Amino acid sequence: DIRMTQSPSTLSASVGDRVTITCRASQSVRNWLAWYQQKPGKAPKLLIYKASTLESGVPSRFSGSGYGTEFTLTISRLQPDDFATYYCQGGTFGQGTKVEVK
Amino acid sequence: QVQLVQSGPEVKRPGASVKVSCKASGYSFETSGISWLRQAPGQGPEWLGWVNAYNSNKTYAQKFRGRVTMTTDTPTNTAYLELRSLRSDDTSTYYCALKPKDYGVAYAYWGQGTLVTVSS
Repeated sequence: DIRMTQSPSTLSASVGDRVTITCRASQSVRNWLAWYQQKPGKAPKLLIYKASTLESGVPSRFSGSGYGTEFTLTISRLQPDDFATYYCQGGTFGQGTKVEVK
Repeated sequence: QVQLVQSGPEVKRPGASVKVSCKASGYSFETSGISWLRQAPGQGPEWLGWVNAYNSNKTYAQKFRGRVTMTTDTPTNTAYLELRSLRSDDTSTYYCALKPKDYGVAYAYWGQGTLVTVSS
């Protein structure tokens, strides 16, 4: 199985901050990489697919980049609704990055 | 719009079996595949397998082969996951999910989740 490693595990940030989460794959996944947001008690919500394509209805402050083994999710200006846990998915899912209030 | 509605929470004893349902609407169920994933508390989702409603082809994660069965009932647009010989570490929220064409690996649609608790 392709292993996905996210960093950091926890990120403390304030509203308006620029936030970047990194995801590394144990082998190339080309651009077959997705990002999800999850809030407690809810199913994951797709944000980005094919590494950089924004899912319909997702705010443009979210963006994804990368290819092969290194990927990033960026939130340009953090909003109150963005405090959540984020997962990348290549062959498998990463362990998650919790974005919490600083 | 696409909707996946799952059955309610379950509590099972170790060694028992559980069957979770996922009723689909808003797309062509009979020509699509549906995936099952689970998520233990504090962990990322884990893929269990996939079933094609059109021809009943299935692919199961190696970890669950022999313990899992996925089926579909096209007249009712419902997919089922059965997991047998339950252990305490099977305690998780189980999700059905749909991967649209041209989305690569991404699951755009998820059921609301079914909590399965395994406890003596």
